Amino acid sequence: SYELTQPPSVSVSPGQTARITCSGDALPKKYAYWYQQKSGQAPVLVIYEDSKRPSGIPERLSGSSSGTMATLSISGAQVEDEADYYCYSTDSSGNHRVFGGGTKLTVL
Amino acid sequence: QVQLVESGGGVVQPGRSLRLSCAASGFTFSNNGMHWVRQAPGKGLEWVTVIWYDGSKRYYADSVKGRFTISRDNSKNTLFLQMNSLRAEDTAVYYCARESDSGSPYLDYWGQGTLVTVSS
Repeated sequence: SYELTQPPSVSVSPGQTARITCSGDALPKKYAYWYQQKSGQAPVLVIYEDSKRPSGIPERLSGSSSGTMATLSISGAQVEDEADYYCYSTDSSGNHRVFGGGTKLTVL
Repeated sequence: QVQLVESGGGVVQPGRSLRLSCAASGFTFSNNGMHWVRQAPGKGLEWVTVIWYDGSKRYYADSVKGRFTISRDNSKNTLFLQMNSLRAEDTAVYYCARESDSGSPYLDYWGQGTLVTVSS
């Protein structure tokens, strides 16, 4: 079955840029989406179609994709950005969805 | 506003069955594909299954295929997940989620989840 691979954890100091990667064989042809999940809460979409930001999401969150890797960047990371981040996409058929394993972002 | 409210979770013995429901409101339910996503305690999100807006197509993760069945009743704005032959590894919070009607397959609204515990 199709898999998306993320690093388990990323740590940055406040004000630095955090980058979370997501690799998958179908990403050259399929969009990546990113969700933020804070403890005890349902996930929230922060990036869709590789690089678009839903309304209400801060501009410091951005997304990009190249080849088999998608990247979520958080510039000027703040303590409030601490959360688990998941990439999400579909397999090559477009029928089965998949989440990456998740990345815990620590800002301290 | 869009609301998704799951129910039906609880404690169940291995090998038994459970049926989850998700009551939808605030949008035209029959226009959107719907999903179930689960999260085991302390673990990541796992996509479980999707059903097309009209129920014509359904797809499952390998981990639940043949044991779980997704269905919907568009007249009652309700999504279901029938879970059979439950295993300890099915223990998780189960979320229902709406697929965007923009044509892009992301999940734009989520419920708060219902906890399923499989234990003897």
